[in-house]
Amino acid sequence: AQTVTQSQPEMSVQEAETVTLSCTYDTSESDYYLFWYKQPPSRQMILVIRQEAYKQQNATENRFSVNFQKAAKSFSLKISDSQLGDAAMYFCAYRMDDKIIFGKGTRLHILP
Amino acid sequence: AAGVIQSPRHLIKEKRETATLKCYPIPRHDTVYWYQQGPGQDPQFLISFYEKMQSDKGSIPDRFSAQQFSDYHSELNMSSLELGDSALYFCASSSTGQPYYEQYFGPGTRLTVT
Repeated sequence: AQTVTQSQPEMSVQEAETVTLSCTYDTSESDYYLFWYKQPPSRQMILVIRQEAYKQQNATENRFSVNFQKAAKSFSLKISDSQLGDAAMYFCAYRMDDKIIFGKGTRLHILP
Repeated sequence: AAGVIQSPRHLIKEKRETATLKCYPIPRHDTVYWYQQGPGQDPQFLISFYEKMQSDKGSIPDRFSAQQFSDYHSELNMSSLELGDSALYFCASSSTGQPYYEQYFGPGTRLTVT
C-alpha cells in the first residue's frame, strides 16, 4: 500500500531563514505525482508545488523548491526566505490513481 | 478565476440526523472528489466521480452516499450521523483535459455533530 510519512510533527524557523520539511513515501509504481499542500489557519488546502516522478529535475516555485530523490523515495520541501504568511500545516501527498494520499502533516511556525 | 464552491460552509446537526453537503466544481471540470479531515488529522479520501459515474471509493461509511449530477455538481449525503462524523469535508475538482489532473480544493464544509 502506498504510504506517505512526515517525521516532523512541528518545526520552527526564524523569519527570513530557510527551512526544510521532510517526507518519505512508499510505492511500487514507477510513474506518479508528488505534492506539497499548505493548510493555513483558514483550513483551505493550497497546492504549493508538484513533482512528476519521471522528471529528474527538482520542481521550483518562487521561494519553494523540492529535493526529489526517487531511489530513496524522499521528497523534501525547502522554503527560502521564510515569511510570516508561511506559517501553516504542510502536507506531503502522493497521487494514486484518482485519489490523493496525504501524510500526517508538519506544522510550521515562523518566528519573527 | 472561478473556484470550487461548497455549501454550506458550516453545519451543525444532532446525532442520528441526516446531512447533505453540496459541491460545485470549477466550470468544465469533469471529476469531483470528496475528502474528510477529522480534527488534527490529515484529509482522507472518501469517493470520486467522473462524468457522473463513481470512479473510485475510499474509506466511506455505508451511511454515506454521494452522486454527481448532470451539471457536474456533487452531493454527499450522510445519514444516522455520529459524533465521529464531525470533521471538515473537502470537495475537489479536476479536469481530465488539463495536465497533471490537478485537484483544486474547495474551502470545505465544517460539520459538527452534537
